[in-house]
Amino acid sequence: AQSVTQLDSQVPVFEEAPVELRCNYSSSVSVYLFWYVQYPNQGLQLLLKYLSGSTLVKGINGFEAEFNKSQTSFHLRKPSVHISDTAEYFCAANQAGTALIFGKGTTLSVSS
Amino acid sequence: DAGITQSPRYKITETGRQVTLMCHQTWSHSYMFWYRQDLGHGLRLIYYSAAADITDKGEVPDGYVVSRSKTENFPLTLESATRSQTSVYFCASSELAGLYNEQFFGPGTRLTVL
Repeated sequence: AQSVTQLDSQVPVFEEAPVELRCNYSSSVSVYLFWYVQYPNQGLQLLLKYLSGSTLVKGINGFEAEFNKSQTSFHLRKPSVHISDTAEYFCAANQAGTALIFGKGTTLSVSS
Repeated sequence: DAGITQSPRYKITETGRQVTLMCHQTWSHSYMFWYRQDLGHGLRLIYYSAAADITDKGEVPDGYVVSRSKTENFPLTLESATRSQTSVYFCASSELAGLYNEQFFGPGTRLTVL
């Protein structure tokens, strides 16, 4: 069965530092990958998605992610974070014809 | 207003009562979904619907009932609420092209079962 593992439940970081949120997926066939962000007391919104093509995907708010098929990873990165990036981040995956499977989430806490 | 809305935003009920959570979207998206979010579990799919009158179970369907008589509405009913159903519930929708498209989420309903 397909699964998504977010390797860190919490990531504390100082403002303007780089950050990487790690995500691994398990799948034997082609997969579509997503990162969603959830700000406090809000629903989820899409940061970026990988469907095919270039393995480096750029999203909103300066985030990017790299699809690595050999390592079955889809890590999210930002070179310089802001206080406003404090949120819960979810990695998700699905295969064509199935529903999204979400990881358990990573809490990014940015402090000054 | 355009988008996806959920009501109520907050609900407190008692064990054994029936509760219905409403979800409404204005985009005419074919697919709609119900998730629950619990600490340590992330989001888990309860039910989804590919079109009006077509629904299917997700990962955690027990204790829930859904219906979809109109494309824009996808209510979720807890027939006899239990404490384990205390959670935050999110509704989402996506376009006709399918499940690999972006899902748009509502603001959530925080349900407490006493």
